Amino acid sequence: AQSVSQHNHHVILSEAASLELGCNYSYGGTVNLFWYVQYPGQHLQLLLKYFSGDPLVKGIKGFEAEFIKSKFSFNLRKPSVQWSDTAEYFCAVNAVGFQKLVFGTGTRLLVSP
Amino acid sequence: EPEVTQTPSHQVTQMGQEVILRCVPISNHLYFYWYRQILGQKVEFLVSFYNNEISEKSEIFDDQFSVERPDGSNFTLKIRSTKLEDSAMYFCASSENHRDTQYFGPGTRLTVL
Repeated sequence: AQSVSQHNHHVILSEAASLELGCNYSYGGTVNLFWYVQYPGQHLQLLLKYFSGDPLVKGIKGFEAEFIKSKFSFNLRKPSVQWSDTAEYFCAVNAVGFQKLVFGTGTRLLVSP
Repeated sequence: EPEVTQTPSHQVTQMGQEVILRCVPISNHLYFYWYRQILGQKVEFLVSFYNNEISEKSEIFDDQFSVERPDGSNFTLKIRSTKLEDSAMYFCASSENHRDTQYFGPGTRLTVL
């Protein structure tokens, strides 16, 4: 069975600080990987995704993530966060051949101005 | 930009009552999904639907749940006899194909009293 772990439940940063949110998954086969974001009062939106190819993927708003297959990881990074990045971030995995997304517990990011 | 919409935004019901949650997926999408998030827990997959049939479902999706595409635009989740533990945020999602990004609606908060 697939599972996803997000190590940080709450992260508090000052503006301009660098961000890295951890995500590890458990599944022996080929996967597609996603980061979704939920801004306060809004619905889940796709930040970025990895299906194949270059393991370093770039998403919207300056976010990027790196797929490290040997570590079963897909960490999310941003070099300099802004107050508007305050949101909850969800890592999700979709095993190829299945339709369901398996989500991590989410990380609440608070960026103080 | 096309969006998935859901109605109602909040539904309150008495235990044992039937509820129908409604979703309008993005118009050219062929795959439809329901997920739920119990307060404080992960987003969990319930069911996927394609070509007027359930294509994948989780253990949570038991006989009290059903899905339907009653017309060309709506996609519904029916809970036949609600229980207290059905209280959750229910998210609808859609995708162009089963390997593509799933786009989420804003959710319906179901409260069972």
